[in-house]
This record gives sequence, C-alpha cells and structure tokens, in this order.
Amino acid sequence: DQQVKQNSPSLSVQEGRISILNCDYTNSMFDYFLWYKKYPAEGPTFLISISSIKDKNEDGRFTVFLNKSAKHLSLHIVPSQPGDSAVYFCAASARVTGNQFYFGTGTSLTVIP
Amino acid sequence: NAGVTQTPKFRVLKTGQSMTLLCAQDMNHEYMYWYRQDPGMGLRLIHYSVGEGTTAKGEVPDGYNVSRLKKQNFLLGLESAAPSQTSVYFCASSYNGNVLTFGAGSRLTVL
Repeated sequence: DQQVKQNSPSLSVQEGRISILNCDYTNSMFDYFLWYKKYPAEGPTFLISISSIKDKNEDGRFTVFLNKSAKHLSLHIVPSQPGDSAVYFCAASARVTGNQFYFGTGTSLTVIP
Repeated sequence: NAGVTQTPKFRVLKTGQSMTLLCAQDMNHEYMYWYRQDPGMGLRLIHYSVGEGTTAKGEVPDGYNVSRLKKQNFLLGLESAAPSQTSVYFCASSYNGNVLTFGAGSRLTVL
C-alpha cells in the first residue's frame, strides 16, 4: 500500500513560469519530508526538505509547502528553467520509528523553452 | 569526491543464479540503504543499516540478503535470482538519517 503518492505522472511547463509538483501521504506519523530530483541514468539528488514543525521552506527558486491537516506537500519552482526537466520524487519518514524513507512514484517535469 | 559508488552498473543473470551488488561510500556515513526502482512503483526500500554490523528489513526484503561488515560498504545479495528481481537498484547513505546521498544505480536483468 503506497504511503506516499504523486498522482501526476507528468507535468509540462513553459520556461519562466511556475512549476507545482504535488505529493500526498497517508501516514500521520510522518514528520520529515524531502524532494529529490532525478536525471536519466543517474541517482536521485537531494533538492529540499521540510520538517513537520514548519509549513514552508525556501531555497532559491525552490519552495516546499506542507499542509499537515491535508497530509499534502507541494514543491514550487519559480521561475522554471529547461535544466529543471527531470523526474521529481517526494519522500517521507517518521523519525520516531526509524529512518525508513518512503518514496512516491515520481512526477516527470518537462520545462519547454 | 567519489560519494556513493555502486558496482556493477549493469548485470544480466539467468534465473536461479546468485550475485552480489556492492555499495561503497567514502563520506563516513552511518546509515546505508538499498532501494529498487520499478516503473510506476517509485523507490522501494529493500534493506537498510544504521551502523556497521547492523541490518534491518525495509518494505520489500524478500529474496535479498545484506551485510555491513565494514562501515563504508553495504552489500546486497541475491541467492537465487528471479525475473521479478529485474530492476534498477540504488544504494544510498546518510550521515544522520536525514538526507540520503544516492549512487548512480545498478541495472539488473534476470532472464
């Protein structure tokens, strides 16, 4: 049973516009969330994280929002660039029960020049 | 600056054969993980280790064994490979369990 879900397999956005990638989770014990970016034939690379004590975290063009009541997080990329085209995974863990990260199925983002 | 290195990068096996995937990290990380990635399934945790000499099961441990005899190495073994184990395998490590650093992946095909 998938505890972390990314319901949009793909997303296309024009260069310079905002990209919004969504992620839902079911386990209320999750308290730490990450986004990873993956290019073909490479391993995922860490992008940004957020703890459940926050509802927003920013790092340059990337912002992650967390809505605990809705068990939903989103990644905003502004402005989107062609180099952002990749597969994005969200991941969640419940740190009190160990260090297992559960990943979503990924969203493939294409930024059109 | 090697980070996390996986060997081999590609391997083709016949059903019933055995093999070992090696993961090595040079960052002195305590935590190490093995994931598999399948189409439409995302990354699923197979086994993980929170320190030298320790291992624990993840979401999909059946058919795999692991060992962490040295802090820098985490081995994933398939004793009798099955076609269902055809996948891309990723190793990751972490200093404190918060952020994972991944290797480039090992693509395994079981015929």
